[in-house]
Amino acid sequence: SAVISQKPSRDICQRGTSLTIQCQVDSQVTMMFWYRQQPGQSLTLIATANQGSEATYESGFVIDKFPISRPNLTFSTLTVSNMSPEDSSIYLCSARRGGSSYEQYFGPGTRLTVT
Amino acid sequence: AQKVTQAQTEISVVEKEDVTLDCVYETRDTTYYLFWYKQPPSGELVFLIRRNSFDEQNEISGRYSWNFQKSTSSFNFTITASQVVDSAVYFCALSETNSNSGYALNFGKGTSLLVTP
Repeated sequence: SAVISQKPSRDICQRGTSLTIQCQVDSQVTMMFWYRQQPGQSLTLIATANQGSEATYESGFVIDKFPISRPNLTFSTLTVSNMSPEDSSIYLCSARRGGSSYEQYFGPGTRLTVT
Repeated sequence: AQKVTQAQTEISVVEKEDVTLDCVYETRDTTYYLFWYKQPPSGELVFLIRRNSFDEQNEISGRYSWNFQKSTSSFNFTITASQVVDSAVYFCALSETNSNSGYALNFGKGTSLLVTP
């Protein structure tokens, strides 16, 4: 299995500010994903982060609001920009090694509260 | 359209009871993967099982068992002799090989299981 860490684990932010969440994997992975889990809800995919190319965003999510970086095969960041209270959620990073390995492992999540 | 349906929103059982969590999925792919994850109150998502569409063999792991039925597009999860520590939200998820999102997961809405002493 892959060990995934996220920083920060939680934060309380003011409306209108931005927060960058870091995701570190302990081994090289081909695919990394960012999900959002709103309070009491299921997980929704924000985007797929590929190394060396632009992230692929799902419907309802845009790069200006959620810019993503993937500078190498073990690291990615998600920025939540110009935050509003509706952005209060848990943001989870996950990774998949690729090839015949279809397991996806998740980081512990970043619990964001916007006031 | 919802690709993964977990019709049971909440289930409450008494310790030592068996409980089955239902999962029905929808896909046009012939090759796909199904997953179950556990999310305890701490919030971390714990991987439980992955099953590919070509392997309909049921699986047992300790008190956990999974019943995959392609004919009914179901992938149900049974906990035998439930324990308080099983209290969590359980998510069923689908990964399609022909999606544009690189095998990302489509999650069901989750079933919240409460096991009381």
